[in-house]
Amino acid sequence: AQSVTQLDSQVPVFEEAPVELRCNYSSSVSVYLFWYVQYPNQGLQLLLKYLSGSTLVKGINGFEAEFNKSQTSFHLRKPSVHISDTAEYFCAPYSSASKIIFGSGTRLSIRP
Amino acid sequence: GAGVSQSPRYKVTKRGQDVALRCDPISGHVSLYWYRQALGQGPEFLTYFNYEAQQDKSGLPNDRFSAERPEGSISTLTIQRTEQRDSAMYRCASSLESSGIYEQYFGPGTRLTVT
Repeated sequence: AQSVTQLDSQVPVFEEAPVELRCNYSSSVSVYLFWYVQYPNQGLQLLLKYLSGSTLVKGINGFEAEFNKSQTSFHLRKPSVHISDTAEYFCAPYSSASKIIFGSGTRLSIRP
Repeated sequence: GAGVSQSPRYKVTKRGQDVALRCDPISGHVSLYWYRQALGQGPEFLTYFNYEAQQDKSGLPNDRFSAERPEGSISTLTIQRTEQRDSAMYRCASSLESSGIYEQYFGPGTRLTVT
């Protein structure tokens, strides 16, 4: 059974517009949640993580995500995107078997 | 300090040949992970090590795939008798330890093409 679902494979937005990338995970995974970003022709890097505490998590480059236990969601948001945010974004819950399960990714494309 | 490095960055091989992919983790990192990433997909877990011990190899597709980390540092992923379906990006990551609290740092990957 799939442990993580990224509902949108591609999200086109205009520069300076807000964006939300959706992620739902199954309750069978441990509640450590990550978002990774992969810029064109680069490796993956951590954008933000939720381990415990405040459900609103802030990451690098102005991104934030909100952990919602009742809806088993961990959506990623940014109030105003820039061309430099063009990348692929992966939601990744941490499995209780000591490994991260990556979603299929959402490709964010920014239109000028 | 240096990040995770992988070599070669690109590998083209003929079907039936064996390949060895190398990962050099961040110094002091206990845990080392191997992933495979197909085009348009997220990384798929293959195996991981704590120190030199292989903790989980449940993601290795079949017995043509093996990995080792003999001294608890550098790791090698070996694919024997390669097939075209093995073509993918192979990524390595390391972390301080495997509890999930610590970030995984990824290398640039090895792009494997089997012709």
